[in-house]
Amino acid sequence: GESVGLHLPTLSVQEGDNSIINCAYSNSASDYFIWYKQESGKGPQFIIDIRSNMDKRQGQRVTVLLNKTVKHLSLQIAATQPGDSAVYFCAETGGSNYKLTFGKGTLLTVNP
Amino acid sequence: EAGVVQSPRYKIIEKKQPVAFWCNPISGHNTLYWYLQNLGQGPELLIRYENEEAVDDSQLPKDRFSAERLKGVDSTLKIQPAELGDSAVYLCASSLDPGPGTQYFGPGTRLTVL
Repeated sequence: GESVGLHLPTLSVQEGDNSIINCAYSNSASDYFIWYKQESGKGPQFIIDIRSNMDKRQGQRVTVLLNKTVKHLSLQIAATQPGDSAVYFCAETGGSNYKLTFGKGTLLTVNP
Repeated sequence: EAGVVQSPRYKIIEKKQPVAFWCNPISGHNTLYWYLQNLGQGPELLIRYENEEAVDDSQLPKDRFSAERLKGVDSTLKIQPAELGDSAVYLCASSLDPGPGTQYFGPGTRLTVL
């Protein structure tokens, strides 16, 4: 859904379903992208990354897709589990300063 | 292996008071970051250290914020005086190398300014 003010985009899925979380970025110079998972009361946890010379990268139950033409990044979680419930952030960086710019975040809720 | 340690976990102060946050990075990690995270937003970098040198402090509001990492290990972030708008979570992260994908975050300090 759309976010307004402090409201996070939210995604609610049933346990066992696949989840797709989207992220748009604006900096065409960004060349490295990361997805983080943040559970309540904890710091962000690295999930998966992708460089701009790739379109797709797979990890365990997660896949990141990068579409540089439309500046869009997505995170796919297979067989979503209750433990996947968290806020998911995409982050980008470009150049050599290693400064990460985080997106707004999406709240994923997995219903048992 | 212990992760990034931060203290305190929570802090409530009145405006105009000083406050300090402490971070102990993962052993051997040379690069340390301080981030600010507002409710519902992603973290924003305040300062990055490589060993004891602050290599990027462009986002640190230097009129009231200061940080130090004197021996290249632990770090302290200070706010003096605190303002109502400083209420947020302050995250510390560390990495072995200054590459963004290898940052490990601590649990953060939640600051409430009344």
